[in-house]
Amino acid sequence: DIQMTQSPSTLSASVGDRVTITCRASQSIGSWLAWYQQKPGKPPKLLIYKASSLESGVPSRFSGSGSGTEFTLTISSLQPDDFATYYCQQYNTYVLTFGGGTKVEIK
Amino acid sequence: QVQLVESGGGVVQPGRSLRLSCVVSGFTFSSYGMHWVRQAPGKGLEWVAVISYDASNKYYADAVKGRFTISRDISKNTLYLQMNSLRAEDTAVYCCAKDLHRDSNGGPIDYWGQGTLVTVSS
Repeated sequence: DIQMTQSPSTLSASVGDRVTITCRASQSIGSWLAWYQQKPGKPPKLLIYKASSLESGVPSRFSGSGSGTEFTLTISSLQPDDFATYYCQQYNTYVLTFGGGTKVEIK
Repeated sequence: QVQLVESGGGVVQPGRSLRLSCVVSGFTFSSYGMHWVRQAPGKGLEWVAVISYDASNKYYADAVKGRFTISRDISKNTLYLQMNSLRAEDTAVYCCAKDLHRDSNGGPIDYWGQGTLVTVSS
C-alpha cells in the first residue's frame, strides 16, 4: 500500500501567519490527493481534491499544490477558525490511505 | 441535504462479530461510491473499505482484509460493514462516507456521518 507521511505533526502559529503543511507519498500518485480539516468531535471536512482543486464553499486562503510524491497545503493567512488537524489522503489506488495528520495549534 | 447516519456499534468481545449500518438520504445512493473510515480514540483517520457505486468493486485496507465485508442495499439506501473476528485494535469510531464524484470506484470524500463507536474488549 502507498504510505503517506505528513510533516510537521504539530505546528504552532498565530492568526495571520502563512502556514504550510507537507505530505509525501511513498510512490508517485499523480495528482490524486485530497486534504481534509478535522475539528475535535466532528467529521473531517474536504478542503482540496486533485491536489489543487478547491472544494465548493472552502475559503480561498486554502490552496494545494504538488504532484507525484510531494504535496503542500497552504493557508495564506491563518484565521481563528483554522485551528484544527489536517490530513492528506491519496486516492491513486483503490486502497486509499491517509497521512498521520498535522495539528495546527495557537502559538 | 445529504445525511449519513450510522448505527450498530457497541462493546463486543475479541473474536466476535458486529454489523454496522449507515442509512443515507439527500442524494442518489446508487450513483456514488461509499466508504467506511475509522478513527481510534485520540488517533488519526484510517480508511477501511470502499464499495463502488454499482457494488461491482470492493476494496479493503490490509488491516481488515479477509475479516470485514462492505455491502450496500440500494432498496434501503443503506451501507453495511460486516466485521468478523474482531480484535482490540479494531476499537474505533466508524464513519460511513460518500464519494465526491458520481459513478466512482473510490476517491475523495465530501460527506461523512458522525460515526458509531465500536469497542472490542473482554
